[in-house]
Amino acid sequence: NAGVTQTPKFRVLKTGQSMTLLCAQDMNHEYMYWYRQDPGMGLRLIHYSVGEGTTAKGEVPDGYNVSRLKKQNFLLGLESAAPSQTSVYFCASSYSDSSYEQYFGPGTRLTVT
Amino acid sequence: GQSLEQPSEVTAVEGAIVQINCTYQTSGFYGLSWYQQHDGGAPTFLSYNGLDGLEETGRFSSFLSRSDSYGYLLLQELQMKDSASYFCAVGDTDKLIFGTGTRLQVFP
Repeated sequence: NAGVTQTPKFRVLKTGQSMTLLCAQDMNHEYMYWYRQDPGMGLRLIHYSVGEGTTAKGEVPDGYNVSRLKKQNFLLGLESAAPSQTSVYFCASSYSDSSYEQYFGPGTRLTVT
Repeated sequence: GQSLEQPSEVTAVEGAIVQINCTYQTSGFYGLSWYQQHDGGAPTFLSYNGLDGLEETGRFSSFLSRSDSYGYLLLQELQMKDSASYFCAVGDTDKLIFGTGTRLQVFP
């Protein structure tokens, strides 16, 4: 099993450009999450999904959109990137009855210039 | 809202014991989780306390007191490989809110 995978691993964007980060999991987890991690800020929840076709806002959702069309995939979109969105983005997944135990992907390092 | 407090940095020597504390304020609470993250890596799950008391997993133990809104992670017989950041996280029914992390440096 690959676990949780993220694509791409690195990306540099110019301000105003758009992009989509892809997260895939092969553990049949119901729940999926997107976090961003900045120095000294810990992990902050952007959006999450409790099942196929559902999404919900986390702590810092502004400037991001998500979609969960298939159970195994969770996409994070930046419609118009800003320098403040420079960060490391982590995707995670969990079973519905144990959201306290999340499995994380390797992360995507995004730089917006 | 929800907030968590944990020390920003802790140092210790190999073989020692270190305790990382976490206090929280939350409107809904289902338990306290701990995660480890090495530099450049992804967070990995360490332990979970859904009830008051001590949970032990090898060299690591975690404690929760709901009445005090307080928990801690105890690392025994420290090894160099334990140098990492440690995050506490409070959970409600379907998500976690993470603290800002404690960086543990283990010296020989």
